[in-house]
Amino acid sequence: AQSVTQPDIHITVSEGASLELRCNYSYGATPYLFWYVQSPGQGLQLLLKYFSGDTLVQGIKGFEAEFKRSQSSFNLRKPSVHWSDAAEYFCAVVSAAGNNRKLIWGLGTSLAVNP
Amino acid sequence: GAGVSQTPSNKVTEKGKYVELRCDPISGHTALYWYRQSLGQGPEFLIYFQGTGAADDSGLPNDRFFAVRPEGSVSTLKIQRTERGDSAVYLCASSFSGSTYNEQFFGPGTRLTVL
Repeated sequence: AQSVTQPDIHITVSEGASLELRCNYSYGATPYLFWYVQSPGQGLQLLLKYFSGDTLVQGIKGFEAEFKRSQSSFNLRKPSVHWSDAAEYFCAVVSAAGNNRKLIWGLGTSLAVNP
Repeated sequence: GAGVSQTPSNKVTEKGKYVELRCDPISGHTALYWYRQSLGQGPEFLIYFQGTGAADDSGLPNDRFFAVRPEGSVSTLKIQRTERGDSAVYLCASSFSGSTYNEQFFGPGTRLTVL
């Protein structure tokens, strides 16, 4: 069965520091992977997605993620965190087979940013 | 509006009551998804519509849950005989089509509390 694991429930970083949020997936075929951000009172917003091709993908707000098939990982990175990045981050995978495009989600990582 | 809207934003009900949650997708989006997010969890898939029909309702937890999309636009999630365990944020998302390549846009959610 498809699954997504986000090992870190909560991370705190200082403003200006680099960030890496971990995501591991379990999926038998080629995964389609996503990172979403959820700010308090806001809807989920897509940061970036990977379907195929270049394994390093760029997203909005200065985020990037790298797909590593050998490690079944899709970690999210940002070189310099801003206070406004404090939010909940979710990694998700979608089935490329069949008729449904439902997203399977990790439990999320809560990011706090210290000034 | 430009985005996905959901009403009400908050709903408090008593155990055993019936509730309806509404989702207004982005105009022109043929695919519509319902997810449920419990506290501290990632979203959990409930049902997916392509047009007017439910293409996949495998995520509905039991027969107390039902959803419709009669004209292929607005959707209503209906919960009968609510239980305290139904308390969660119910998220709606829409996409241009059911293709994996189409981003799912999320509404702000409806927070359901069953007392």
